[in-house]
Amino acid sequence: KAGVTQTPRYLIKTRGQQVTLSCSPISGHRSVSWYQQTPGQGLQFLFEYFSETQRNKGNFPGRFSGRQFSNSRSEMNVSTLELGDSALYLCASRLGQENTGELFFGEGSRLTVL
Amino acid sequence: AQSVTQLDSQVPVFEEAPVELRCNYSSSVSVYLFWYVQYPNQGLQLLLKYLSGSTLVKGINGFEAEFNKSQTSFHLRKPSVHISDTAEYFCAVTKNQAGTALIFGKGTTLSVSS
Repeated sequence: KAGVTQTPRYLIKTRGQQVTLSCSPISGHRSVSWYQQTPGQGLQFLFEYFSETQRNKGNFPGRFSGRQFSNSRSEMNVSTLELGDSALYLCASRLGQENTGELFFGEGSRLTVL
Repeated sequence: AQSVTQLDSQVPVFEEAPVELRCNYSSSVSVYLFWYVQYPNQGLQLLLKYLSGSTLVKGINGFEAEFNKSQTSFHLRKPSVHISDTAEYFCAVTKNQAGTALIFGKGTTLSVSS
């Protein structure tokens, strides 16, 4: 069974641009979560989607948005990029909404903002 | 809201020595607790989890953790580490309520040397 796939793996953008990151969950998984990982702040929760609906949102500005499609694939978008948005963005999937379930992580998309 | 504190940012140990990675959490409600591991340039992988029942939880790769409700701790232990255990370890907590996010600590880097 294929794992969680994130694309692109690496990208470089300049301030003010916008970026879209993609995540394909494990087949059959309906919940997708996004996290931002930086050396200073660690792993911070961005949002979680289940059956195309945002179930939870972290404390990030409105420049960060996401969506989930009917096939459970998810995208996140960051508009008007700032230097501080440079980070590893991790996507994780799990079978359902239950909190007891294991999150399966992708290898991440590393964003560098210049 | 719940939060997680990992008390050591870096733990250096020699091969075959025992190790303990400390984690404290705060929450006003019952929680589920997790430990994840991240190897270099990879996503996170679940080591073990505490949901209920026995306070001593065994996970993969010889790791175990003990839930202590009175001290609000969930420390991770291994009696004898290997070079291959070198990685970053994350403690995480979520409320036992559907739809709540998994909140991570800032991580502990375990460095095992020979």
